[in-house]
Amino acid sequence: GESVGLHLPTLSVQEGDNSIINCAYSNSASDYFIWYKQESGKGPQFIIDIRSNMDKRQGQRVTVLLNKTVKHLSLQIAATQPGDSAVYFCAENMGQAGTALIFGKGTTLSVSS
Amino acid sequence: GAGVSQSPSNKVTEKGKDVELRCDPISGHTALYWYRQSLGQGLEFLIYFQGNSAPDKSGLPSDRFSAERTGGSVSTLTIQRTQQEDSAVYLCASSFGQPGANVLTFGAGSRLTVL
Repeated sequence: GESVGLHLPTLSVQEGDNSIINCAYSNSASDYFIWYKQESGKGPQFIIDIRSNMDKRQGQRVTVLLNKTVKHLSLQIAATQPGDSAVYFCAENMGQAGTALIFGKGTTLSVSS
Repeated sequence: GAGVSQSPSNKVTEKGKDVELRCDPISGHTALYWYRQSLGQGLEFLIYFQGNSAPDKSGLPSDRFSAERTGGSVSTLTIQRTQQEDSAVYLCASSFGQPGANVLTFGAGSRLTVL
């Protein structure tokens, strides 16, 4: 089975709301996590990453939270905009072990005006 | 180039034919990855090249799939005797090094349709 998954396949929010996209991972050896955004017809685009020695990392309007105890990762998007509508993937990797990123199935975020 | 370039962007082929998909990574990136994305699904890892090391082929679904990377730059993914279940978007990505140290930059993908 998959080592990375997402709790909800779809999420619908109103413009201006905060969005939270969740992801559960099963490989306790993973020490690097990353969120990608994929718009229709395009390849995935990097949003933010976090290493296992951190609990939280902030970017522009986005925050990633890592809870290693329960192996849970979340992406928070503040003041969600229509341009945020896309599929969001979390991915994990065992850092310097040299393995490729393993992706989950994705959550489709729909933002309505 | 400025980004990862993939060609063709769309390929329609008949069952049983061979196809080749090309990836031009970002100049200077030593690592190159191929992923497959079926409709509505996540990204399935296929193969990973890192510098001059032997590639990690653990994700290739069958011996009909192969990939090579010439001169540490351009890569070609070859699918022999294509089947309808091979229909998907094939994504290439590159990075400076191993995934834990560097972000992957993806191309727009090659959409393969097997009739």
